[in-house]
Amino acid sequence: QQPVQSPQAVILREGEDAVINCSSSKALYSVHWYRQKHGEAPVFLMILLKGGEQKGHDKISASFNEKKQQSSLYLTASQLSYSGTYFCGTVGSSNTGKLIFGQGTTLQVKP
Amino acid sequence: DAGVIQSPRHEVTEMGQEVTLRCKPISGHDYLFWYRQTMMRGLELLIYFNNNVPIDDSGMPEDRFSAKMPNASFSTLKIQPSEPRDSAVYFCASSYGRNTEAFFGQGTRLTVV
Repeated sequence: QQPVQSPQAVILREGEDAVINCSSSKALYSVHWYRQKHGEAPVFLMILLKGGEQKGHDKISASFNEKKQQSSLYLTASQLSYSGTYFCGTVGSSNTGKLIFGQGTTLQVKP
Repeated sequence: DAGVIQSPRHEVTEMGQEVTLRCKPISGHDYLFWYRQTMMRGLELLIYFNNNVPIDDSGMPEDRFSAKMPNASFSTLKIQPSEPRDSAVYFCASSYGRNTEAFFGQGTRLTVV
């Protein structure tokens, strides 16, 4: 079953912050975040394993609440280059490697 | 490495025709995934392989779809017969192990008329 992302779309001004949420109805082993620019392939951002860790690089970070089966992606001081569609992917608690994605959140950053 | 290579990049075919999409994963990767992307459904997992063996094909829409991985460096996704509702972008991705970065190919844009 696909994870559910919210919101479906976000429009920001440069420098503003955004949060994208991902939630699953099943227990998870890991959460993966990808960004896709229009007409391109999805590109990896980060993976979070169960344990409630938080990861980040530059001004993009994420958290994973294993008990709630939820993850959030935080984009701080957004830049024009952050525009695109963000996908969360999940691997279930049985850790078979089956990676399924949500429907995506479209982020548009305006000058 | 050249990354995951998919061919063709674009395919236009008539309803009822057979379509074969091809994927060459990154050398040494043991997981291979086929996804279909549409506006309505986002990225849907169709099937995935581990060490050339299909592990889960529950996402394959119906019997018209089939996938094979005859060796570690090649996989195909076949649709026979094709229908207009199969129009989508099909991505192949590969990874080394579980819970690691999946590298996506550039996708095949399929249009069935």
